[in-house]
Amino acid sequence: QVQVVESGGGVVQPGGSLRLSCATSGFTFRSYGMHWVRQAPGKGLEWVAFIRSDGSFKYYAESVKGRFTISRDNSKSTLYLQLDSLTTGDTATYYCANFILVAIRDLDCWGRGTLVTVSS
Amino acid sequence: NFMLTQSHSVSASPGKTVAISCTRSGGSIASNYVQWFQQRPGSSPTTVIYDDNQRPSGVPDRFSGSIDSSSNSASLTISGLKTEDEADYYCLSFDSTTWVFGGGTKVTVL
Repeated sequence: QVQVVESGGGVVQPGGSLRLSCATSGFTFRSYGMHWVRQAPGKGLEWVAFIRSDGSFKYYAESVKGRFTISRDNSKSTLYLQLDSLTTGDTATYYCANFILVAIRDLDCWGRGTLVTVSS
Repeated sequence: NFMLTQSHSVSASPGKTVAISCTRSGGSIASNYVQWFQQRPGSSPTTVIYDDNQRPSGVPDRFSGSIDSSSNSASLTISGLKTEDEADYYCLSFDSTTWVFGGGTKVTVL
């Protein structure tokens, strides 16, 4: 059974930083690319970032490029997202996800999310 | 880059059929797979359709997906609507280095 647990959210002032973590189990983490997705309160889903299985390629949404950094530690089966220069527009629940595991192993892969609130 | 546009909401009575559209602007809908997610209030998204028209086990066959190149759109159809189907539904596709979600469609069961 796939388990995905995000942590590290909280309240931060504009201009501040946070580091989110996503601990996984139940699948071979090192074999799969991983995504961060966010959802502002009452709004839709927004793709944030992707990292290839070996960490060699990283892609970002334009809205976060240059401010957020995705990374991973395959030895710990853990995904990270460093959030810098935060603005109120970054307030959202941040989900860790894999979109293709469902096609390969019939396993959905989403966490419950961690809430980031940017407020003064 | 590209965009995926969904109708804002749809409603129907139990037992009826609803179709949710997801129109791609910028590139062909057939160039990359479309995935559909269901998100009930207070819950994380779950996949109901992947690879345009495939259902994960555990998703009832009342859910079906298709693409239409002529309208450059994908569709999620829910037949035999049940109260438990009331949720937000999102389409997702990608293009080389970017993944894009549609804006979401709220399905209300009357």
